[in-house]
Parts: sequence; structure tokens; C-alpha cells
Amino acid sequence: TQLLEQSPQFLSIQEGENLTVYCNSSSVFSSLQWYRQEPGEGPVLLVTVVTGGEVKKLKRLTFQFGDARKDSSLHITAAQPGDTGLYLCAGPSSEGATNKLIFGTGTLLAVQP
Amino acid sequence: EAGVTQFPSHSVIEKGQTVTLRCDPISGHDNLYWYRRVMGKEIKFLLHFVKESKQDESGMPNNRFLAERTGGTYSTLKVQPAELEDSGVYFCASSLQLLTEAFFGQGTRLTVV
Repeated sequence: TQLLEQSPQFLSIQEGENLTVYCNSSSVFSSLQWYRQEPGEGPVLLVTVVTGGEVKKLKRLTFQFGDARKDSSLHITAAQPGDTGLYLCAGPSSEGATNKLIFGTGTLLAVQP
Repeated sequence: EAGVTQFPSHSVIEKGQTVTLRCDPISGHDNLYWYRRVMGKEIKFLLHFVKESKQDESGMPNNRFLAERTGGTYSTLKVQPAELEDSGVYFCASSLQLLTEAFFGQGTRLTVV
């Protein structure tokens, strides 16, 4: 069974601080996605990483896919209150051909002004 | 263009009652997915439609859950009879093609009391 573990589960920081969220698995994923979910909303895709070792930047967010494609990280520089939300990693299941997603356990980030 | 829409936003029902959740995907999206998050757990896959056909229903918990997508447009997920452990947030997502980005609805929060 493919599992994605995220750490930390909760993170409360002050505006302007940097942070890193981790997504780890013992299984290889063909790609990994990062989503942000706000209260009362569904997950919104931030980025997809496909190649082992790949680094993608989205403004102050930097996403990295591990060389072995078993892990990923999300680094936020100079966090702002607008970054507050639930961050989820997800990857396509290797079972079947439906592209169903396996989600991580989530990291709840609170950025205090 | 309208996003994925789910009805109702919230539903509180008594154990043993029936509830029907509805999902309107983005127009033209053949792929429609149902996911669920129960309290404290990660989001988990329930099933996948391609147009009106069920491609994968391996995530459906038991036969109290019935999903339909008549005409390949909107989808319904009926729970009958509802049990306490069915409480959670039910998400619907749609994508244009199998491996393209899936867009999530805002979710339906189901509470069974």
C-alpha cells in the first residue's frame, strides 16, 4: 500500500519566517503534487513535480522532488498570513489506470501577523 | 467558467437516514472522481467515472454507497442507510483527460448523528 507521510502536522510561525514541509514515502511515485486547501474549500493544485531531483519555484514557494522520487519538500520563504492553510502532497496510485490520487496526511500552517 | 460545484455544502442527518450528495463537474470534463476525508485521516479515493462509466470503484467503503453519473454530466453519491462512521467531508473532482489536472469542488460536510 502506498502511503504519504507529511511532517510536521502543525506549524505556527510568525510572518517573515521561513519554513519547510516534508512529504515522505517508502514507495516510488511517478510524480507528486502539492495542494493548498483553505477552510470551506477544496484542495487547489500548486505544482506537480515529475522528474527526480526536480526543483520548481512559485514566487516564494520552492518545491523539490527527491532523486529517488520517494519524497518531496515545500519551502516557503518569508511566510505571509496569506500562506495560512492546509498543505497536502499527493501522488498517483500505481494500482490501476485511473490516476486516482493518494493524499498525504497534511500540514496545517498558521502564519501569525 | 464555473468550477466544480457540490451540493449541499453541509448535511446533518440521523443514523439510518438516506443522503444524496451531488457534484457538477466542469463542463466537458469526462473524468469525475469522488474522494472522502473522515476526521483525522487523509483524503481517500472513493471512485472514478469516465463519462457515465465507472472505471474504478475500489475505494467505495461498502454497498451502502451508490454513485451514479447518468448521461455523463453531474454525479450523485447516495448513502443508504447512513452510519456514524460515514461522517466526513466528501470531495468531488473533475479533469479533462486522465492525466491532466483535477479540479476539486468545495466539498460536502456530512455529519451523521
